[in-house]
Amino acid sequence: GENVEQHPSTLSVQEGDSAVIKCTYSDSASNYFPWYKQELGKRPQLIIDIRSNVGEKKDQRIAVTLNKTAKHFSLHITETQPEDSAVYFCASSPRGGTSYGKLTFGQGTILTVHP
Amino acid sequence: DADVTQTPRNRITKTGKRIMLECSQTKGHDRMYWYRQDPGLGLRLIYYSFDVKDINKGEISDGYSVSRQAQAKFSLSLESAIPNQTALYFCATSGLNTGELFFGEGSRLTVL
Repeated sequence: GENVEQHPSTLSVQEGDSAVIKCTYSDSASNYFPWYKQELGKRPQLIIDIRSNVGEKKDQRIAVTLNKTAKHFSLHITETQPEDSAVYFCASSPRGGTSYGKLTFGQGTILTVHP
Repeated sequence: DADVTQTPRNRITKTGKRIMLECSQTKGHDRMYWYRQDPGLGLRLIYYSFDVKDINKGEISDGYSVSRQAQAKFSLSLESAIPNQTALYFCATSGLNTGELFFGEGSRLTVL
């Protein structure tokens, strides 16, 4: 089955700095890659996703890049703010369509943004 | 607002007891899932259902069973709980043509 590895497990940055979280996946058939943010004591929520026909996607201060050849994708957060502090999970779907919700998650990254 | 609701939110039980976690949703989605979250392991899929008559095992289904009572209700059962089933359990839903999962607030289960 699919295996998703996520690094680093913890990341500490100063407010205003950039943060990068990286994930690798094993199944070359995977073609959907979402990122979820989980604030302390809350439920995970989707913040951005990318499909395999796109190499990069941006939404304000966050962006995701995908390299299908190398089977890795990354989350980039620019101009970090204290409210960005949370656990971030990458995930992949083995195939699109009917398998969208059957996600394989990475282990999570605890991001701390210091004021 | 349409939402995903889980009960109970917290439960402490003893080894060997039967436990049921319930999930209901008002989002009108056909697809429902149960995930388990453990520190350092991310979220792992236990079972999923794409409609009332469809039940499928996920990555870690051993020791669990599910029931899809209606489009809006999906329950997870532990027939005989064991300590390594101590975890945070999330129910989730998704629409047909989108990959986005909508999670419930989670059910924290402790098995002593």
